[in-house]
Amino acid sequence: KNEVEQSPQNLTAQEGEFITINCSYSVGISALHWLQQHPGGGIVSLFMLSSGKKKHGRLIATINIQEKHSSLHITASHPRDSAVYICAVKANTGNQFYFGTGTSLTVIP
Amino acid sequence: DTAVSQTPKYLVTQMGNDKSIKCEQNLGHDTMYWYKQDSKKFLKIMFSYNNKELIINETVPNRFSPKSPDKAHLNLHINSLELGDSAVYFCASSQYPGGTQYFGPGTRLLVL
Repeated sequence: KNEVEQSPQNLTAQEGEFITINCSYSVGISALHWLQQHPGGGIVSLFMLSSGKKKHGRLIATINIQEKHSSLHITASHPRDSAVYICAVKANTGNQFYFGTGTSLTVIP
Repeated sequence: DTAVSQTPKYLVTQMGNDKSIKCEQNLGHDTMYWYKQDSKKFLKIMFSYNNKELIINETVPNRFSPKSPDKAHLNLHINSLELGDSAVYFCASSQYPGGTQYFGPGTRLLVL
């Protein structure tokens, strides 16, 4: 079983819809990262968080440390949001990183 | 200026060859990483260096050897390339271990 599980694996939405991607993890962590991989392959770090909530434009990331769960929300989704979203955690012992398998999002105009 | 750069961007080579991929970051970061992304798009960390010291060394074949000549560079050398090594290799850097990572554009390796 993977230390980091994401859901859904694939998601198709209409433009303008509110989107939620979930990430659950089973290890103690010092930080959780949300990454975005564009169709062209480039990877961008969206958020790093260890508690609470962060917002950047139409993107919101939340984390619940007790429940070992994080969500990435996209408000007013747009076709340019189409990408793979990857959740990753840094373990709080040692320097280990664990990655989810990604959520492939397609936003249809 | 590119923050994290990798060379080459594409690499096509025969089985059994030895090849290197170079990575450089101009962000002044202390920590650098190598990742492998396979055909199923699963991203897996291979190595990480902090201040030129190896801090993450995942279970990868010992044909893979990272080298960090200085904090701004982390190169990946692969000996005796195999078909299964075909993948996209990403380099990344962060200010400290576990910090926000900045990724290079990736090197697409194809072993024939």
